Amino acid sequence: QKEVEQNSGPLSVPEGAIASLNCTYSDRGSQSFFWYRQYSGKSPELIMSIYSNGDKEDGRFTAQLNKASQYVSLLIRDSQPSDSATYLCAATSNTGNQFYFGTGTSLTVIP
Amino acid sequence: NAGVTQTPKFQVLKTGQSMTLQCAQDMNHNSMYWYRQDPGMGLRLIYYSASEGTTDKGEVPNGYNVSRLNKREFSLRLESAAPSQTSVYFCASSLRTMWEQFFGPGTRLTVL
Repeated sequence: QKEVEQNSGPLSVPEGAIASLNCTYSDRGSQSFFWYRQYSGKSPELIMSIYSNGDKEDGRFTAQLNKASQYVSLLIRDSQPSDSATYLCAATSNTGNQFYFGTGTSLTVIP
Repeated sequence: NAGVTQTPKFQVLKTGQSMTLQCAQDMNHNSMYWYRQDPGMGLRLIYYSASEGTTDKGEVPNGYNVSRLNKREFSLRLESAAPSQTSVYFCASSLRTMWEQFFGPGTRLTVL
């Protein structure tokens, strides 16, 4: 079992819709969680970090964390074609000395 | 500010050859990291340096060595390259260890 699991997709949504990306993690002691966006052939780009249960909003992006269910999600409101990319979920280990990425979810926003 | 820079961008090696990947950051970050990214495997941590003068193993350290030359620079060395090390290598840095990380543009390495 991988430390961080994501549905590889592809996920397709129409322009203007809400895209919902999900991630689960296996280390119950993980404390820090991150969402990255990666365009094809480019490097990962940090979107958001979240450390406590609940929602965290930044512009069109909302990250949600539920530590009891070991679940992290990212909502993208008013999706744009420029949001088409692979979204990577990441978590630190309980000991704080490892950093694990999921394999990513491919998102396509259809104009 | 350039952020995180990596050299070279592309490299082709023959099995058994050695090479060093270079990484530098100008954000005054304390921690630096090396990852490899393979299809279906995602990004995996090879080594990291929490601060100048320290290095620690990540998830997949075998076959690699690292050097934290100073606060700005962190290099990754392949002593005897193998085809299994064909991958895209990313360097990253963060202000604090295992915190928000910022990535360089990557090095695409092919080992024949």
